[in-house]
Amino acid sequence: QKEVEQNSGPLSVPEGAIASLNCTYSDRGSQSFFWYRQYSGKSPELIMFIYSNGDKEDGRFTAQLNKASQYVSLLIRDSQPSDSATYLCAVIKWAGNMLTFGGGTRLMVKP
Amino acid sequence: DTGVSQDPRHKITKRGQNVTFRCDPISEHNRLYWYRQTLGQGPEFLTYFQNEAQLEKSRLLSDRFSAERPKGSFSTLEIQRTEQGDSAMYLCASSSGGMPYEQYFGPGTRLTVT
Repeated sequence: QKEVEQNSGPLSVPEGAIASLNCTYSDRGSQSFFWYRQYSGKSPELIMFIYSNGDKEDGRFTAQLNKASQYVSLLIRDSQPSDSATYLCAVIKWAGNMLTFGGGTRLMVKP
Repeated sequence: DTGVSQDPRHKITKRGQNVTFRCDPISEHNRLYWYRQTLGQGPEFLTYFQNEAQLEKSRLLSDRFSAERPKGSFSTLEIQRTEQGDSAMYLCASSSGGMPYEQYFGPGTRLTVT
C-alpha cells in the first residue's frame, strides 16, 4: 500500500463546474497536508495546505481534511481551462519534515 | 525574484560522467530539501538540510549521490558516475520551519543521461 494514494485520472470536467480531487494517506501520525499544482514540464506550485479537521477555503479552492478517515480533498469551484494540470497531494509525518507525495491526479477542464 | 532558484535548468550528460546541480533557497529559509521526480510520478525525497547540517537522507540516495550546504545558504547536489536511471527532474525546495512546514519548490533541473 502506498503511503499517499491518488487516482491518476484524467479527471475531466466542463468549464465552470466543480472539480473534486481526492487523496488518502496511511500514516495516522501525519501532521500537515498539502496540495500542489504542477503544469507539464514545470515544478510543483503550492496552492493549499491544511492541518486541522474540516474545511479551509482560499478563493476558488477548498481543502477538506478528515483525519479519522485519513482523507484529504481539494475542491476547485468554477473550473477554468487554465486549471488543467496535475494536482499532487503531499503529507508531512510527525517524525520528519520531508514531504511524501501521491502520484498526482491529472485534471482536464474542457471549454 | 525572491523564490527558490536552481541551476542549470537542463543538463545532458553521458553515462559515467559526474554532474553537479546548485540550489539557492528563499533567503530567510533555513531548511532546504532535494527531491527527484520521474515522469508520471510524484516527487521522491532525497535529502534535507537544516542550516548547514544534513539531517536526513533517503535510502534512495546511493553512494554516488552527495549533497552539501556549506554555509547554510545555497546547496549543491552531485551525482558521480551517472547512469541512465538517474535521468529525472531534480527539485529543490525550501522552508522556514515550524507548522505547517510548507515547502516552496524551485524550477528544477532536468537531467538526461545518454
